[in-house]
Amino acid sequence: QSVLTQPPSASGTPGQRVTISCSGSSSNIGSNTVNWYQQLPGTAPKLLIYSNNQRPSGVPDRFSGSKSGTSASLAISGLQSEDEADYYCAAWDDSLTEVFGGGTKLTVL
Amino acid sequence: QVQLVQSGAEVKKPGASVKVSCKASGYTFTSYGISWVRQAPGQGLEWMGWISAYNGNTNYAQKLQGRVTMTTDTSTSTAYMELRSLRSDDTAVYYCARVGSSWYFDYWGQGTLVTVSS
Repeated sequence: QSVLTQPPSASGTPGQRVTISCSGSSSNIGSNTVNWYQQLPGTAPKLLIYSNNQRPSGVPDRFSGSKSGTSASLAISGLQSEDEADYYCAAWDDSLTEVFGGGTKLTVL
Repeated sequence: QVQLVQSGAEVKKPGASVKVSCKASGYTFTSYGISWVRQAPGQGLEWMGWISAYNGNTNYAQKLQGRVTMTTDTSTSTAYMELRSLRSDDTAVYYCARVGSSWYFDYWGQGTLVTVSS
């Protein structure tokens, strides 16, 4: 049982916009920033969004993040086949531990 | 370019210990921390702990307290994670990751598969 709650799956067609939600509590998302990681099949996770809405260099602007209260979301616009991956949200918890969501498997139909 | 290169796959018996290494290059090792994250087969990510490469301070996940030790060797820019008293549910891919300035994991190692089996 993950501390942060994500839908197990999401899907969309090429070109579509999809969003993935991440729900937490006042001790994690409510008081700390949220990061998102993309994990392509068989590879290590990659930082996608940090500090709620910042993109590392090289990440396309099709990816965006937002946070409100104890929830956060990742939006992917102009969906492409190479976006098919697992997506994880993460945040620092005030109990002095990093917590992750259970992951969302994105399928491009 | 920043790189984290981990040691190879390990097979261990229950009760044994494993030590995974993570060699950093392309940046000043002591300016960043290293976190360890593991992923059981078909499961999500689990944070194991963090070590400051500057002063060796550590913070371990509560469920692993007493079984895990993280260390660094600044002379070789290498971080280590040792897990003792291995159980079958410790079977996972273990990742090291560099910790960015605002607590995010900006570079990851390629992962090390640790299999615990009798």
